[in-house]
Amino acid sequence: KQEVTQIPAALSVPEGENLVLNCSFTDSAIYNLQWFRQDPGKGLTSLLLIQSSQREQTSGRLNASLDKSSGRSTLYIAASQPGDSATYLCAVIQGAQKLVFGQGTRLTINP
Amino acid sequence: EPEVTQTPSHQVTQMGQEVILRCVPISNHLYFYWYRQILGQKVEFLVSFYNNEISEKSEIFDDQFSVERPDGSNFTLKIRSTKLEDSAMYFCASSRTGDGYTFGSGTRLTVV
Repeated sequence: KQEVTQIPAALSVPEGENLVLNCSFTDSAIYNLQWFRQDPGKGLTSLLLIQSSQREQTSGRLNASLDKSSGRSTLYIAASQPGDSATYLCAVIQGAQKLVFGQGTRLTINP
Repeated sequence: EPEVTQTPSHQVTQMGQEVILRCVPISNHLYFYWYRQILGQKVEFLVSFYNNEISEKSEIFDDQFSVERPDGSNFTLKIRSTKLEDSAMYFCASSRTGDGYTFGSGTRLTVV
């Protein structure tokens, strides 16, 4: 059974810092991996989708990498801003297009 | 940008009552899903729907749950007899190709 783990559970950094969020998964037989952002009490906003054949994807200040063989993905956020404060969720896509989510990393950017 | 729309945003119901959560997926998407998130817990898969039938369902999706696509635009989740433990945020999602999902903003269901 696929298990997705995100470390750290919470992270607080000053504005302007670059930071890395980690995601690991136990079964490397995945189709894709998707990173989401969730604001308190709100829905899930897709940030980046990495196809299983890709190593990384970039969107603005965000860069996500994928290493299937080691079961790891990272989300790199450059020049963090207070508006980046949210919970970041990693999810792997496998079998019948089902998403398996991690617990999330709660990120706080301090002005 | 196209959106997945969910209604209502918040519903309060008494234990034992039936509820229907509604979703309008993105119009050219073919795959539809329901997920739920109990407060403080992971987002969990409930069911996937493709070609007018359930393609996969989780252990959570027992006989109390059903899904329907009654017309070309709506996708509904019905809970027949709600329990306290059904209180959660329910998310609808859709996908055009089965990889890469767009989620709605969720319905917060509170069972009292």
